[in-house]
Amino acid sequence: EVQLVESGGGLVQPGGSLRLSCAGSGFTFSNYVMNWVRQAPGKGLEWVSFISSSGTTIYYADSVEGRFTISRDNDKNSLYLQMNSLRAEDTAVYYCARGRRPPDYWGQGTLVTVSS
Amino acid sequence: DIVMTQTPLSSPVTLGQPASISCRSSQSLVHSDGNTYLSWLQQRPGQPPRLLIYKISNRFSGVPDRFSGSGAGTDFTLKISRVEAEDVGVYYCMQTTQFPLTFGGGTKVEIK
Repeated sequence: EVQLVESGGGLVQPGGSLRLSCAGSGFTFSNYVMNWVRQAPGKGLEWVSFISSSGTTIYYADSVEGRFTISRDNDKNSLYLQMNSLRAEDTAVYYCARGRRPPDYWGQGTLVTVSS
Repeated sequence: DIVMTQTPLSSPVTLGQPASISCRSSQSLVHSDGNTYLSWLQQRPGQPPRLLIYKISNRFSGVPDRFSGSGAGTDFTLKISRVEAEDVGVYYCMQTTQFPLTFGGGTKVEIK
């Protein structure tokens, strides 16, 4: 069974940093591209970032470019999102999602709250 | 960026009756490889999104056959042939033809 489990969310002050993790199991993690998608409270879905299976190709949404960094460790079956210079508008549930066309499995999400 | 527009915003439906959701993209979703990467996701209350349909009309694993997708180019439709109580939630269309990946604003399906 494919499983994606996010962790690392929490309360952080504006301007602060946080690192999210996503652990994959039930599939060969190194064979799949991965994404981060977020959802602000009561709002719709917003794609955040993409990383290829080898980690060599990376894309970001304009809203996070220069502040967030996606990475992966295929030996640990893990995906990461380093979030710096956090703003109130980054408050959201962050989901990791497997695959590209389309993302087919999604984790349960981890909540990030940016507030003073 | 490709803008995805869904209608209606909300769809109150009687149990056992059909429901239909429309999605329009600001430009063609036909990829140079000939495929159209339009998907539909379901998000039940308090749950993460779940893939229902990919490449316009292909049901994902485990998705009941009361869900169907159709369309081409820039206009797409998700239909539920007979709404069941477990179908309550928000439905999103999503394009994965090009980056950035973009979503429709969502359509809330609720029971009358």
